[in-house]
Amino acid sequence: EVQLVESGGGLVQPGRSLRLSCVASGFTFADYAMHWVRQAPGKGLEWVSGISWNSGSIAYVDSVKGRFTISRDNAKNSLYLQMNSLRVEDTALYYCAKDMGIAVAGTIQHWGQGTLVTVSA
Amino acid sequence: SSELTQDPAVSVALGQTVRITCQGDSLRSYYASWYQQKPGQAPVLVIYGKNNRPSGIPDRFSGSSSGNTASLTITGAQAEDEADYYCNSRDSSGNHPFGGGTQLTVL
Repeated sequence: EVQLVESGGGLVQPGRSLRLSCVASGFTFADYAMHWVRQAPGKGLEWVSGISWNSGSIAYVDSVKGRFTISRDNAKNSLYLQMNSLRVEDTALYYCAKDMGIAVAGTIQHWGQGTLVTVSA
Repeated sequence: SSELTQDPAVSVALGQTVRITCQGDSLRSYYASWYQQKPGQAPVLVIYGKNNRPSGIPDRFSGSSSGNTASLTITGAQAEDEADYYCNSRDSSGNHPFGGGTQLTVL
């Protein structure tokens, strides 16, 4: 069974940083692309970033380019999202998600339960 | 443009058929995938590719596409199908825009 467990969320002031982690199990992590998707309270889903199986291809939504960095450690079955210069509008539940294939331009298949990030003074 | 547009809300009588649509330029090149999200839960993939259902998804869910419009059809809607539904696509840069979501009410 695929399991994705996010951690690292919390309350942070605007302008500060936070690092999210996602530990995967139940599949061969190194064989799949991974994504971060967020959902602001009461709002819809927003894809944030994706990374290919070997970190060779990475993409970001325009609103986080230059502030967020996605990375992965296949030896640790882990996905990360380094979030710098956080803004109030980054407040959301952040989901870690597994793709169906190796490329970033794939289909998001499985989702974790999310970790909540609140950006507030 | 990578934007995807969905109707905010749709309703269907119990046991009837409902179609949820998604429009966007990227759908001319890529199939949409569809996700069901119930309150307090993570999204679940229900349709992907031309018309594929993951294991465990009932066959009353189906997908189709024409031009810049993708559709999710539920044939014989059940009470447990009441949820938010999101379409998702991708572009050549690897971006994965979601539609704004459609809240489905089963009457």
